[in-house]
Amino acid sequence: QQQVKQSPQSLIVQKGGISIINCAYENTAFDYFPWYQQFPGKGPALLIAIRPDVSEKKEGRFTISFNKSAKQFSLHIMDSQPGDSATYFCAASGRSQGNLIFGKGTKLSVKP
Amino acid sequence: DAGVTQSPTHLIKTRGQQVTLRCSPKSGHDTVSWYQQALGQGPQFIFQYYEEEERQRGNFPDRFSGHQFPNYSSELNVNALLLGDSALYLCASSLNRQGGIYGYTFGSGTRLTVV
Repeated sequence: QQQVKQSPQSLIVQKGGISIINCAYENTAFDYFPWYQQFPGKGPALLIAIRPDVSEKKEGRFTISFNKSAKQFSLHIMDSQPGDSATYFCAASGRSQGNLIFGKGTKLSVKP
Repeated sequence: DAGVTQSPTHLIKTRGQQVTLRCSPKSGHDTVSWYQQALGQGPQFIFQYYEEEERQRGNFPDRFSGHQFPNYSSELNVNALLLGDSALYLCASSLNRQGGIYGYTFGSGTRLTVV
């Protein structure tokens, strides 16, 4: 049973455009929602994370939008750059868990 | 400040063999979690160690076992290797405080190939 569903599987965006990746979760006990960026041959690196008491969090060009009632959250990458080309994973966790449940990932390609 | 260190970086084993992967957590972290990432998939939680005990376990068979040492470093052991065990094995360290796990940091992983 997949508890975090991520879409799209792949995404191609022009340089300077906006990249949007969506995730949906099922478990209402989740209270921590991070996004990770992974380059080939590397481990995932934390980009930005949000807790359900806020609806949006922005850090530089990266923004998380969170909709608690719909059990959905999304990552927006503004002014996308070729260096942003990587695989992005959403994840979720709850206080009683301590481990992360990952989505299947989105491979982003930013064309120059 | 060293991050999470994993060794070896690559490993090739024969089906039926046993393998041990190693992880040194980030300085100041006391909890180690192991994940398996198959090609093109998201990481899947194997288990987590805190205070030298397995605290949580994902949906993995008993062939997967681990250990945490007093210096917080950890080992992942896999017995009776199957072709399907071929994957990137990731170690993540964090700090266990009341109310949750903080500072989840991943290493670069060990690429295991079973032939």
